[in-house]
Amino acid sequence: AQSVTQPDIHITVSEGASLELRCNYSYGATPYLFWYVQSPGQGLQLLLKYFSGDTLVQGIKGFEAEFKRSQSSFNLRKPSVHWSDAAEYFCAVAPGGGGADGLTFGKGTHLIIQP
Amino acid sequence: DTAVSQTPKYLVTQMGNDKSIKCEQNLGHDTMYWYKQDSKKFLKIMFSYNNKELIINETVPNRFSPKSPDKAHLNLHINSLELGDSAVYFCASSQSRQGKGYFGPGTRLTVT
Repeated sequence: AQSVTQPDIHITVSEGASLELRCNYSYGATPYLFWYVQSPGQGLQLLLKYFSGDTLVQGIKGFEAEFKRSQSSFNLRKPSVHWSDAAEYFCAVAPGGGGADGLTFGKGTHLIIQP
Repeated sequence: DTAVSQTPKYLVTQMGNDKSIKCEQNLGHDTMYWYKQDSKKFLKIMFSYNNKELIINETVPNRFSPKSPDKAHLNLHINSLELGDSAVYFCASSQSRQGKGYFGPGTRLTVT
């Protein structure tokens, strides 16, 4: 069965500093990979996704993520965070090639932005 | 213009009651899902429906039943509500071969 690990439950970053959120997955083949963001009391917004091709993917709000097959990782990065980036971030995996199995989520990383 | 909508947004009810949450998507997707987010914010898939057929059911109690009157709707019925059912329930949709999900705003269910 597939699984996703987000090793950092909380991360605190100063406004303007760079950010990296870690995500590792366990899956037999190359999966589809996603990052979602959830602001307090809100639904989930898709930041970016990886299906195939270029391993560095660009997303919305200035985020990017890099797929590293050898490390089974899909870390999320942003060069300079803004106070509005404070939220919960979820990494997720779905079976590669499509299918209707839905997403398996990590437990999330809570991002705190210091002024 | 809302892609995936859910009603109600909040639902407070007593133990033992039966309730429903409605979900509609206007994206033309062929697959819809229900996810449960617990108090620790852990998201877990409950059901997926593809072309009106139940695809997966992740050890969810049979008190929960998804019903899809058509491809654009997937409602969640819950019988004999228990305290542990309190959570936020998210509906989502996708084109099956794309995998990514568009999520609704969530329904916060509180069972007292």
